Amino acid sequence: TQLLEQSPQFLSIQEGENLTVYCNSSSVFSSLQWYRQEPGEGPVLLVTVVTGGEVKKLKRLTFQFGDARKDSSLHITAAQPGDTGLYLCAGREGSGNTGKLIFGQGTTLQVKP
Amino acid sequence: NAGVMQNPRHLVRRRGQEARLRCSPMKGHSHVYWYRQLPEEGLKFMVYLQKENIIDESGMPKERFSAEFPKEGPSILRIQQVVRGDSAAYFCASSPEGLRRNEQFFGPGTRLTVL
Repeated sequence: TQLLEQSPQFLSIQEGENLTVYCNSSSVFSSLQWYRQEPGEGPVLLVTVVTGGEVKKLKRLTFQFGDARKDSSLHITAAQPGDTGLYLCAGREGSGNTGKLIFGQGTTLQVKP
Repeated sequence: NAGVMQNPRHLVRRRGQEARLRCSPMKGHSHVYWYRQLPEEGLKFMVYLQKENIIDESGMPKERFSAEFPKEGPSILRIQQVVRGDSAAYFCASSPEGLRRNEQFFGPGTRLTVL
């Protein structure tokens, strides 16, 4: 069974600081997605990375997929209180018909004003 | 374009009752997935369905749980004879055909509480 380890599990920072969240596995994924989830709601898709070494930017968020497609990172520049939430990485197994996503346990981010 | 719809948002059942959770995928999406999120845990895959077919049910408990996605109407996740350990948030996701099939879009979830 493929596993995704996220670190850190909890992060509390001041507005304006930068941060990086890591998502690591010993297994290869065909694609990896980052979601953000707020209390009482479902995960909202932020980005999908497919190619090893790929870098995608979404405003102040930068996502990178490792060259070997086993790990990923999310970097937030100048964090804002609105960035507060649970960040989840999820990898798609293999390239076959199964579409299931393997989720990391999440990183809870709190940005204080 | 409406997103993934789930109902009810909250469901309370007593031990031994049945729970039915409904999911309407995004318009044009024909792939549906169900996940369970237990308190203080991440999301765990349960089942993957296409219209009238179960593609992967490797995450479904062997007893009491079943899922369907009929030709017409929403996908249903059914839990018979619920127990307290079934209390969790159940999320449905859908994805389109083609190149974006990798992307799964989630509904708001159904929070099941078993008394």
